[in-house]
Amino acid sequence: QKEVEQNSGPLSVPEGAIASLNCTYSDRGSQSFFWYRQYSGKSPELIMFIYSNGDKEDGRFTAQLNKASQYVSLLIRDSQPSDSATYLCAVNLRPGLHNQGGKLIFGQGTELSVKP
Amino acid sequence: EAQVTQNPRYLITVTGKKLTVTCSQNMNHEYMSWYRQDPGLGLRQIYYSMNVEVTDKGDVPEGYKVSRKEKRNFPLILESPSPNQTSLYFCASSLFSDRWYNNEQFFGPGTRLTVL
Repeated sequence: QKEVEQNSGPLSVPEGAIASLNCTYSDRGSQSFFWYRQYSGKSPELIMFIYSNGDKEDGRFTAQLNKASQYVSLLIRDSQPSDSATYLCAVNLRPGLHNQGGKLIFGQGTELSVKP
Repeated sequence: EAQVTQNPRYLITVTGKKLTVTCSQNMNHEYMSWYRQDPGLGLRQIYYSMNVEVTDKGDVPEGYKVSRKEKRNFPLILESPSPNQTSLYFCASSLFSDRWYNNEQFFGPGTRLTVL
């Protein structure tokens, strides 16, 4: 089992719809979770992070974390064509684990396509 | 402007010809890391460094070397490149402190390497 798993997609949604991106992780001790957006040929850029169970909202983006189910998701409301990109889920290893508190484990990414 | 820079951005070389990809950050970050990104495989960590003179292997270190003589620089060295090292490479940096839950990694623009 991969440490961080995402559906590779592509996920296609119409403009204005809600896009839902999902991520599961295997290390139950993982503490913080990051969503990055990556446009084709560009570097990843952080959208938001979450470390407490529940929802965290930032503009059109909402991250949801359920540690019991080892599941984190990203909702994009009112999707725009400019949201078309690959979305990377990243999980922070437990602090002190192999002294790699700074290490992020990335999923393979979900490609999102928003159609006008 | 806070940033991570990489050079060169594009490189075509031949098998066995030593090369170095430079990485520099101006944010006084302790943690620096190199990733390679290949289609369907996501971001995979090559090497990381938690501070000056402290480096360690990531998930795919074979064929690569790094050094961290100064806090701001973290060059990636390919002593004898091979075609399977053709990839998109990213350098990233982050703070490494007790605020581990928010250790956002900032990425450089990427280096596209082709080994013939």
